[in-house]
Amino acid sequence: DQQVKQNSPSLSVQEGRISILNCDYTNSMFDYFLWYKKYPAEGPTFLISISSIKDKNEDGRFTVFLNKSAKHLSLHIVPSQPGDSAVYFCAASKLTGGGNKLTFGTGTQLKVEL
Amino acid sequence: NAGVTQTPKFRILKIGQSMTLQCTQDMNHNYMYWYRQDPGMGLKLIYYSVGAGITDKGEVPNGYNVSRSTTEDFPLRLELAAPSQTSVYFCASRPGGGGNTIYFGEGSWLTVV
Repeated sequence: DQQVKQNSPSLSVQEGRISILNCDYTNSMFDYFLWYKKYPAEGPTFLISISSIKDKNEDGRFTVFLNKSAKHLSLHIVPSQPGDSAVYFCAASKLTGGGNKLTFGTGTQLKVEL
Repeated sequence: NAGVTQTPKFRILKIGQSMTLQCTQDMNHNYMYWYRQDPGMGLKLIYYSVGAGITDKGEVPNGYNVSRSTTEDFPLRLELAAPSQTSVYFCASRPGGGGNTIYFGEGSWLTVV
C-alpha cells in the first residue's frame, strides 16, 4: 500500500524554465511534508518542507504547494538549473507520535537540459 | 562537520553470512532510523529508535536487528543474508522536539550473492 505516490518517474526540463514535481498521498493523518533531493551515490538531502496548516512555503527558487482537500503537493523550481538534475523524493509524516517516521514516495528523476 | 557516518560504504556478502552496518551521528540527535532503497523504489523504513535503549520496527524489519546502547550509535545487523537484502542502506537521524527534518548518511551499498 503506497501511501505516498510520485506518478512521474522522470521529468525533463530546459534550463531556465519551471520544473514542477508532483506528489499524492492517501493517509489523511499526515500533517507534515518534505522534499528531499538525491544525487547518485549520496544520501538524500533535505530541500524544503511544509506543515499541513499552510498551503505554500517558499525558499529561494523552491516553492512547495499543498492542497489538502486533494491530498496533493507539488514542488516548483524556478528557474531550473543543470545542478538541479537529481532524484526528488516526496515524504510525509505525522508531527506527533510514532517516532515521526517519514514515508517516502518512489522518486522523480529530474533532468535539466542546457 | 561529520553528521551521520555509515560504514562500510560497499560490501559483498555471501548468502547465509551475517554482518553489521555501522551508523554513528555526532549531532546528539535522539531519533535514528535505518532505511533501505531498492532500484526504482522509494526509501523503506527498517527500524527506528527514539532514544538510547528504545527501538521499534518499521515497514520492512524481517531479517534485520538493531540496538541503541548509546545516543550516537545505531548499528543494523543482518543475520543469514539473502539476495533480497541486496540494497542501498541509509542511516538517518533527527533531533527531538518539533520539526521533522531528517539528516541522512551517504549510504551503504550491500550485495548478497
